[in-house]
Amino acid sequence: LAKTTQPISMDSYEGQEVNITCSHNNIATNDYITWYQQFPSQGPRFIIQGYKTKVTNEVASLFIPADRKSSTLSLPRVSLSDTAVYYCLVGGFNLNTGGFKTIFGAGTRLFVKA
Amino acid sequence: SAVISQKPSRDICQRGTSLTIQCQVDSQVTMMFWYRQQPGQSLTLIATANQGSEATYESGFVIDKFPISRPNLTFSTLTVSNMSPEDSSIYLCSVVGEVGQPQHFGDGTRLSIL
Repeated sequence: LAKTTQPISMDSYEGQEVNITCSHNNIATNDYITWYQQFPSQGPRFIIQGYKTKVTNEVASLFIPADRKSSTLSLPRVSLSDTAVYYCLVGGFNLNTGGFKTIFGAGTRLFVKA
Repeated sequence: SAVISQKPSRDICQRGTSLTIQCQVDSQVTMMFWYRQQPGQSLTLIATANQGSEATYESGFVIDKFPISRPNLTFSTLTVSNMSPEDSSIYLCSVVGEVGQPQHFGDGTRLSIL
C-alpha cells in the first residue's frame, strides 16, 4: 500500500488560501486519494476525494497531476476554525480482491492565525 | 453520509479489566473498521470487522486482546481486554457505505487506564 508524505505543520493567516501537498510515489492504479480534517476530540471528517485531475466541492479543491504521485489540497480563504490536522490517504476498494485498505500518514497540523 | 454513534464516548478503567465499545450506524454499510489513535499521533488500523465471521486483524493486533464482533450491517463492538496503561488511547469506528465511497468516522471512545 502506498505511503504518504506530508509537511508536519503549516502556518497561515485568516483569509489566505492554503495549499497542502501530499506525496504518494507508489500509488496503485486502483487507489483513490482522500483528505480528512480532524479537530481535537473528534473523529476525522471527510473533506474531498479524487482519482485524477481536479475535484472541487463546497469546502476545498483537490489537484492531482497526471502521474498521480502527488496531490494538493487547496483551502480557499481559511478562517481560525480551519486550524486542525489534515490527513492525506491513498487506497480504497480493490475491485480485484474485494478488499478495502487505506493507511493514515502522519498528517499536517495547520495553524491559522488572526 | 452515515451517522456513526460510539458508546461510551469516554471511560476510565482499572488495569486488568476489559471494556466493550459499541459502534452503531444509522444505515447499512458495506465495511466497518476499528482504529486506534494514541495521544498526538495518527490513526492505526486495528482490524476490519467482518459480518458474521472473524475480524481481519492488522499486524501487531490479535483477537485475544481486541475481540471484535459484527452481527449485522449496522453494528459492531470492539473489546479491549486485560487493559494496561499502554492501552490508553482513542478508539474509533469507521465505515464505508458502498463500494467507491470514502470512509467515515465516529468521534471515538477516549479510554484511560489507571
